[in-house]
Amino acid sequence: ETGVTQSPTHLIKTRGQQVTLRCSSQSGHNTVSWYQQALGQGPQFIFQYYREEENGRGNFPPRFSGLQFPNYSSELNVNALELDDSALYLCASSSPTRGSTDTQYFGPGTRLTVL
Amino acid sequence: ILNVEQSPQSLHVQEGDSTNFTCSFPSSNFYALHWYRWETAKSPEALFVMTLNGDEKKKGRISATLNTKEGYSYLYIKGSQPEDSATYLCAPSNDYKLSFGAGTTVTVRA
Repeated sequence: ETGVTQSPTHLIKTRGQQVTLRCSSQSGHNTVSWYQQALGQGPQFIFQYYREEENGRGNFPPRFSGLQFPNYSSELNVNALELDDSALYLCASSSPTRGSTDTQYFGPGTRLTVL
Repeated sequence: ILNVEQSPQSLHVQEGDSTNFTCSFPSSNFYALHWYRWETAKSPEALFVMTLNGDEKKKGRISATLNTKEGYSYLYIKGSQPEDSATYLCAPSNDYKLSFGAGTTVTVRA
């Protein structure tokens, strides 16, 4: 396993609610990226945090937000949940050295169901 | 975010047979290509990071080639075993972002 952990494993919410997902990065990694995998698709990049700052963002609305803490763990927050937010949310940690060639190490994901 | 296609979407292989499948991506502004193996109920596992045209990487019975000029990569599994059953994802990276394809799901039948 990668050493990246995520909690909770599964979560059920209703439309309009807010949710917080958590990720603990691998030891020594200071960068966390979040991805959303909808059914039948590949994971899509949400955003990345590097040393507690957002380092880039994919095509997701502002109701998707994040935090990174001094120990480099991270949270993904989603407000005003919609049915289409139902997906597997993956986080990945890395220790950036060369950018594009840095390997990202993934956690097992959190399965979010919005009813 | 890059447009990435993987084919076929799924394939079934008899144990002991070899197989291969394709990842296509835009050839312009290429930086690197990542391959991951994702078994059910586990974390995606990094297989290879490839950067150079003509590059070939190998890990056990799995190997991959890269053509950056035409924008494709092949992944090969030699002598498939049941433990090779997984979804294989490719992801070209542009700076820090990975742009994943939908994957090729391989099922190895004993």
